[in-house]
Amino acid sequence: GAGVSQTPSNKVTEKGKYVELRCDPISGHTALYWYRQSLGQGPEFLIYFQGTGAADDSGLPNDRFFAVRPEGSVSTLKIQRTERGDSAVYLCASSLNERGLAGRDTQYFGPGTRLTVL
Amino acid sequence: ELKVEQNPLFLSMQEGKNYTIYCNYSTTSDRLYWYRQDPGKSLESLFVLLSNGAVKQEGRLMASLDTKARLSTLHITAAVHDLSATYFCAVADSFGNEKLTFGTGTRLTIIP
Repeated sequence: GAGVSQTPSNKVTEKGKYVELRCDPISGHTALYWYRQSLGQGPEFLIYFQGTGAADDSGLPNDRFFAVRPEGSVSTLKIQRTERGDSAVYLCASSLNERGLAGRDTQYFGPGTRLTVL
Repeated sequence: ELKVEQNPLFLSMQEGKNYTIYCNYSTTSDRLYWYRQDPGKSLESLFVLLSNGAVKQEGRLMASLDTKARLSTLHITAAVHDLSATYFCAVADSFGNEKLTFGTGTRLTIIP
């Protein structure tokens, strides 16, 4: 079946601009995660959704970053007033989080969006 | 704050040899994952380890978990070239929490 998809695959923008990154999770997966990976590093947690609500947004670096998941499926990560330090690969993951199995599901990752802020 | 450390960071080994990658974490956790990442690609799930003493094997890779020592190992047996990749361990930071903290990764290169 289809995996996690992310668009665009690459995004180049100028400092100060606004960007939106989209994630389509695996069908039926109720949990969705955003991570950021800088070159040579492991992914860094940003935010986690269970359904439509953000269950944990402790990883968002500042208020320029915001994410939504209005219908409990597709999610959009929004970055305002981009800075050069925001350049990274933004990874989305999803998992099947059934009652009784909460917290014990593998997160399946998408291909990522490579964001470059000039 | 949960910290996850892997070593070595870089590993170059010959085909046919055995080696182990280590993953240490700093606080109690109930889940540990191993992922593989090829250059320019996303992360592929390898193993999920859920309890003390858990051992999982797939082909030439075997992962184990010691929750008392807060240590997981990924053992490679008779390495082959197509195992060349970066391997990450990731730990859930508390019981029932979904947030994963990743190690910095081990870049493995298998030399013919």
